[in-house]
Amino acid sequence: DAKTTQPPSMDCAEGRAANLPCNHSTISGNEYVYWYRQIHSQGPQYIIHGLKNNETNEMASLIITEDRKSSTLILPHATLRDTAVYYCIVRGPLPGGKLIFGQGTELSVKP
Amino acid sequence: GAVVSQHPSRVICKSGTSVKIECRSLDFQATTMFWYRQFPKQSLMLMATSNEGSKATYEQGVEKDKFLINHASLTLSTLTVTSAHPEDSSFYICSAGGPGPTSRTQYFGPGTRLTVL
Repeated sequence: DAKTTQPPSMDCAEGRAANLPCNHSTISGNEYVYWYRQIHSQGPQYIIHGLKNNETNEMASLIITEDRKSSTLILPHATLRDTAVYYCIVRGPLPGGKLIFGQGTELSVKP
Repeated sequence: GAVVSQHPSRVICKSGTSVKIECRSLDFQATTMFWYRQFPKQSLMLMATSNEGSKATYEQGVEKDKFLINHASLTLSTLTVTSAHPEDSSFYICSAGGPGPTSRTQYFGPGTRLTVL
């Protein structure tokens, strides 16, 4: 599975958009980009995933560059409850595609 | 999204005893479940892949005789930490994925905090 690179930490003002970047330059054609977040002492929460098209759901938007070497997770209106560690993961095809977690980005949403 | 539960949420045991942790998919069938371990201030580390009706596949460096995994049904996987020692104290988290609309996504349980005295 391709490796991902994320900034270790970011700050965001409450009510503003949080844009979390992720580099995955070695991603192959059949690998998906997944985003999860983990609030302290809880299990990770699924946010969104995509292959090559941009995706949006009730939680966030995922923007994947045309060459698929990087992506950005967008939380449109961050709240204090969005403070968490955000993980960008490249996952191989199913079955058997494992989620291998990197260090993630610790997002702090401040009032 | 799909719901995964774990039991117990926290357990304290004496060194040398065995502890069993259950992982259940509550509203979907999971042909594959995964077990992770997380130490303080670290990321999740995949321990093993649990496949219904067959033997688990362990990641490199994980002792299969120490961490026994059983996936007896499409909704239940168990992890037994045998002869636990203080260094096994950790946060154990399972995840489940299955057929149907949830197949591309893994959903995680709330985790089990194990403390070995």
